Amino acid sequence: NAGVTQTPKFRILKIGQSMTLQCTQDMNHNYMYWYRQDPGMGLKLIYYSVGAGITDKGEVPNGYNVSRSTTEDFPLRLELAAPSQTSVYFCASSYVMSTQYFGPGTRLLVL
Amino acid sequence: AQKVTQAQTEISVVEKEDVTLDCVYETRDTTYYLFWYKQPPSGELVFLIRRNSFDEQNEISGRYSWNFQKSTSSFNFTITASQVVDSAVYFCALSEAGSGGSNYKLTFGKGTLLTVNP
Repeated sequence: NAGVTQTPKFRILKIGQSMTLQCTQDMNHNYMYWYRQDPGMGLKLIYYSVGAGITDKGEVPNGYNVSRSTTEDFPLRLELAAPSQTSVYFCASSYVMSTQYFGPGTRLLVL
Repeated sequence: AQKVTQAQTEISVVEKEDVTLDCVYETRDTTYYLFWYKQPPSGELVFLIRRNSFDEQNEISGRYSWNFQKSTSSFNFTITASQVVDSAVYFCALSEAGSGGSNYKLTFGKGTLLTVNP
């Protein structure tokens, strides 16, 4: 039981490039989330999903897109990367009204 | 709107001291959940505890204890006899059951960096 896994662990992007951050959970959780953590700050919600085919915006969605085609996977897409997207990205999952469990994070640097 | 305030940005203690991390929250919901997460230097987020708004009993788990007081909207976390391995950033978080029960997103405080020196 791996829990929540994220790939890659670290990535450097050039301004304007695109990439997809992968997130997979094997706990059969219906809720999944993407957060970003900036230095000295707490986590802020980017997007979340309450089940396959259903996604919605969080607090800071601009510059990102998500999809949820299966219960297990919730990829986060960055289009036209900008320096402001330099951050650590965490994926999480949970059952309804339950504790969120986090993946190990992806550190992204946009130069 | 929900909000979590962790007024202590950094705390430094010597090993074996007791330390309390403060958390104050704001919410209009009557049903909500409070959490503490630990983020050690390795960077992962480790779940420590979850409390619902209807359960004000204090919780003790080994050297960790939590004091939930609705009257002051606080959910403080105490580490007894601190150890070097307790050094980490600790986040308090709030989840409301509002929005028709369709959200449950977490609102995090900015975290408290605890350094335990030998």
